[in-house]
Amino acid sequence: AQSVTQPDIHITVSEGASLELRCNYSYGATPYLFWYVQSPGQGLQLLLKYFSGDTLVQGIKGFEAEFKRSQSSFNLRKPSVHWSDAAEYFCAVGARTGFQKLVFGTGTRLLVSP
Amino acid sequence: SQTIHQWPATLVQPVGSPLSLECTVEGTSNPNLYWYRQAAGRGLQLLFYSVGIGQISSEVPQNLSASRPQDRQFILSSKKLLLSDSGFYLCAWSALSGGGNEQFFGPGTRLTVL
Repeated sequence: AQSVTQPDIHITVSEGASLELRCNYSYGATPYLFWYVQSPGQGLQLLLKYFSGDTLVQGIKGFEAEFKRSQSSFNLRKPSVHWSDAAEYFCAVGARTGFQKLVFGTGTRLLVSP
Repeated sequence: SQTIHQWPATLVQPVGSPLSLECTVEGTSNPNLYWYRQAAGRGLQLLFYSVGIGQISSEVPQNLSASRPQDRQFILSSKKLLLSDSGFYLCAWSALSGGGNEQFFGPGTRLTVL
């Protein structure tokens, strides 16, 4: 069964600084990979997804993520963080065969300092 | 475009009372539907999913049940709420065809059981 680890529960970044959120997965093959963002009290919004092809994926709001098969990782990056990026970020994996359930990590809460 | 609605947005219920949360999707047909619960600091737990009317799969044995009386309607219910049922409940949908399609989330329902 697939699993997802987001090792950082909280991260604080200064506004304008770069950001990297870590995600490691466990799966027998290359899964589908997703990053979602959740503002307080809201639902989840899809930032980006990896299905196949180019391992560097561009998403909305200036985010990107890189799939590294050798490290079983799918880290999320942003070159310059804005105060509005403060939220909780979830990495998720989905199997390529069978029913399309997603398995989510426990999330990383991003705090942005002025 | 597709939209997903959940209601109510917030709910405070006494222990032992019944529960009914509703989710509806617009702008798509034959979606897969999902109910998740999100407890503080614990990520998303998949509770139920449905691939069609009347077809419900349960992921976690619990005090809750789900039903899908119409193609785009998904209901989460309980006959007697427990304190442990408190949390943020999210409904999501994905396209029926193939694997790897991303899930789209509703705004959520905050349930507090007292």
